[in-house]
Amino acid sequence: DTAVSQTPKYLVTQMGNDKSIKCEQNLGHDTMYWYKQDSKKFLKIMFSYNNKELIINETVPNRFSPKSPDKAHLNLHINSLELGDSAVYFCASRIPGGEQYFGPGTRLTVT
Amino acid sequence: DQQVKQNSPSLSVQEGRISILNCDYTNSMFDYFLWYKKYPAEGPTFLISISSIKDKNEDGRFTVFLNKSAKHLSLHIVPSQPGDSAVYFCAASLNRDDKIIFGKGTRLHILP
Repeated sequence: DTAVSQTPKYLVTQMGNDKSIKCEQNLGHDTMYWYKQDSKKFLKIMFSYNNKELIINETVPNRFSPKSPDKAHLNLHINSLELGDSAVYFCASRIPGGEQYFGPGTRLTVT
Repeated sequence: DQQVKQNSPSLSVQEGRISILNCDYTNSMFDYFLWYKKYPAEGPTFLISISSIKDKNEDGRFTVFLNKSAKHLSLHIVPSQPGDSAVYFCAASLNRDDKIIFGKGTRLHILP
């Protein structure tokens, strides 16, 4: 009964392809996030959704498009993948005023 | 432009001793601070937090100290155990509901 789950765990693809990463949380949280951890190990917020509405977009290229079909799911679609997109992507969720719960991460490798 | 800095990439401590992980921040408006722990191939997990109105918060073997005038916080783990070997991320936000800014992490090795 994983709290925050992501699929796939690993994703290897070629430049120019389009791919999606899925995230689901069964904690009943209203707010969900996508983070990117790059090769320098910085964990940076990309997007935040609250009850299916976008509330934070941290100047991420518009090749990245999050979609929240319901408040338990936040998917990340990436168009025209570039080498620099290689990173570990983490989904997270939280209740107001609470700490964030992270998924296990998706390691994306663009070749 | 790092707002949260963890200047020690790694730290090795003998089992049973105290581990002290340090963190500095630049934004004086930060009001809420957190530590997360991360094992390989897993997501970060929340460890402990502190609000700016306090200078210390304790939870079992973990204590976080905050020095607002120095814009510095530290995490003390005592006694250190093998299972504490992980990467520790310091993080800060403007308030409990705002986005969290993470440091780069410090890898802690607990030596037998």
